[in-house]
Amino acid sequence: DTEVTQTPKHLVMGMTNKKSLKCEQHMGHRAMYWYKQKAKKPPELMFVYSYEKLSINESVPSRFSPECPNSSLLNLHLHALQPEDSALYLCASSQAGHRFESNQPQHFGDGTRLSIL
Amino acid sequence: AQKITQTQPGMFVQEKEAVTLDCTYDTSDPSYGLFWYKQPSSGEMIFLIYQGSYDQQNATEGRYSLNFQKARKSANLVISASQLGDSAMYFCAMREGARNAGNMLTFGGGTRLMVKP
Repeated sequence: DTEVTQTPKHLVMGMTNKKSLKCEQHMGHRAMYWYKQKAKKPPELMFVYSYEKLSINESVPSRFSPECPNSSLLNLHLHALQPEDSALYLCASSQAGHRFESNQPQHFGDGTRLSIL
Repeated sequence: AQKITQTQPGMFVQEKEAVTLDCTYDTSDPSYGLFWYKQPSSGEMIFLIYQGSYDQQNATEGRYSLNFQKARKSANLVISASQLGDSAMYFCAMREGARNAGNMLTFGGGTRLMVKP
């Protein structure tokens, strides 16, 4: 079992639906991340939250809307997605705010496998 | 130019033998860290081992060790005594010191390791 919990594990939705992906961690990490991963490819960073504030948006389309309600939770709201958005969505967390003294890795969840019909 | 290069898309190894997965990187930042992650077919990214740019010794973690050659900018992962459960995708990732909002990682393309019984 991972220390980062993602729900749901699988999601099938139509292009007009609105859904949300959820991520939770209780390791006291203050940095949280969303990644998108296509089959046989490395994860691609989408968003970074640091101390509950959005610090990086890697030019992600507005149909993906992140939210960090508190230091333990990270959501990804989905609306009007396209078939090419079908992928594994990974959430991760890590310590934040230390410019390079930290050797702490990012801890990943199991991911949500998203299919857009 | 790619920052992290993994030149072996796929590799086979006989059970109980050792295997080396290659990773080369490119950075001008004097402070950086290198991570290896394992991703089974279930999707979770599992942290294996870390090497810091200023570390004098090669990192080791159980059956995993890192052959760090700083001048050559390589950080190869060595897995000793391979087990069937080692079959997975392996990603090398780098964190550079300069752009470090929340410890961002750059991933290589991955190597799929298959352990033969």
